Amino acid sequence: QVQLQESGPGLVKPSQTLSLTCAVSGGSISSGNYYWTWIRQPAGKGLEWIGRLHISENPNYNPSLKSRVTISTDTSKNQFSLKLTSVTAADTAVYYCTSLGAFASWGLGTLVTVSS
Amino acid sequence: QTVVTQEPSLTVSPGGTATLTCASSTGAVTSGHYPNWFQQSPGQAPRALIYSTNKKYSWTPARFSASLLGGKAALTLSGVQPEDEAEYYCLLYYGAVGVFGGGTKLTVL
Repeated sequence: QVQLQESGPGLVKPSQTLSLTCAVSGGSISSGNYYWTWIRQPAGKGLEWIGRLHISENPNYNPSLKSRVTISTDTSKNQFSLKLTSVTAADTAVYYCTSLGAFASWGLGTLVTVSS
Repeated sequence: QTVVTQEPSLTVSPGGTATLTCASSTGAVTSGHYPNWFQQSPGQAPRALIYSTNKKYSWTPARFSASLLGGKAALTLSGVQPEDEAEYYCLLYYGAVGVFGGGTKLTVL
């Protein structure tokens, strides 16, 4: 089972870009076994699927976020990343990086607050 | 917009059986939706329990099982333990896009 660790700024100003990175250990980011997925959870609310990336496929995004989201991999650093542009307070949440499916693993999550 | 619906809450007695369901606004849930189930205890990250309808992980307790039931995905807990009190989420795939249900808060009382 891979281990995942999110990192990035905990505070982002409105209209700016949220950027998070997920470091992968215990497995290769280039492995076809994994769907690298970002999920978020506003305080006191449910889970929201943001998008996923498989090494041999185009990324897939939540239609409600698609115009603002990019998920990509950095094979040299064995990590994948999330960029969310034009953020508002509604994007304040705990963000989880995960791999889902047969080889499931979750990061601990990182709180990102959007505020001026 | 596709909506995935779960019971908001369920209460079960210790040792009892609880069945949580997951419905799709587009119609019957099938294996093609690759239903996943997750457990989240307060203050913790979610934990995967089930993938592809009924496949368990090495860490999934034997008392958890999953199936398709009456056009829905279902998660059944048999012999519920106090530590099973948590929020449970289902995830369905529509093509390559995932949609979570709103979660079921399971109370063991």
